[in-house]
Amino acid sequence: GQQVMQIPQYQHVQEGEDFTTYCNSSTTLSNIQWYKQRPGGHPVFLIQLVKSGEVKKQKRLTFQFGEAKKNSSLHITATQTTDVGTYFCAGNSGYSTLTFGKGTMLLVSP
Amino acid sequence: KAGVTQTPRYLIKTRGQQVTLSCSPISGHRSVSWYQQTPGQGLQFLFEYFSETQRNKGNFPGRFSGRQFSNSRSEMNVSTLELGDSALYLCASSLSGQGRIVDTEAFFGQGTRLTVV
Repeated sequence: GQQVMQIPQYQHVQEGEDFTTYCNSSTTLSNIQWYKQRPGGHPVFLIQLVKSGEVKKQKRLTFQFGEAKKNSSLHITATQTTDVGTYFCAGNSGYSTLTFGKGTMLLVSP
Repeated sequence: KAGVTQTPRYLIKTRGQQVTLSCSPISGHRSVSWYQQTPGQGLQFLFEYFSETQRNKGNFPGRFSGRQFSNSRSEMNVSTLELGDSALYLCASSLSGQGRIVDTEAFFGQGTRLTVV
């Protein structure tokens, strides 16, 4: 079945440093979604990418979808303590259930 | 509109007991998925229900089961609880879970934190 792998599993940065998490699928995806889970909270939808090579920005967050639609990345510029949490990617291929990666836990030290 | 509601929020059970968790999806959503979340293991997919039918199932033992009612509300049951079942159980609803991209965005509930002692 479809598998979505996410790396790194964990990253600790100093406030102001950049952060990137990568997501790779075993199959071509029709779309990829990103979610953020704050400590003690539940995953919340951030964004969805659909087109090959698509790049979307949300303030300091940049999301990319690979040309082959099998990988994606989330990059945060100049991290802040409010960015702390676990970031999940999730994809599906056509008529299949959304498959989540295991997530990247981001810790930001002031 | 109201979000996804999970009850109870917290639960403490003894090994060997069984437990039932409930999830009320967003009105109009017909797909409900369940996940187990433990530290370091991310979101482990349990199963997905759509129109009262189990559409997909993850790799969990048969002690884990679920069902969906005609109003799309879902329950999951864990029988013969083990210490390793202690986790946050999340449910997520979506319009249909498949097909049109707009139908797949998942809305999560706050989760039920189950502790098995």
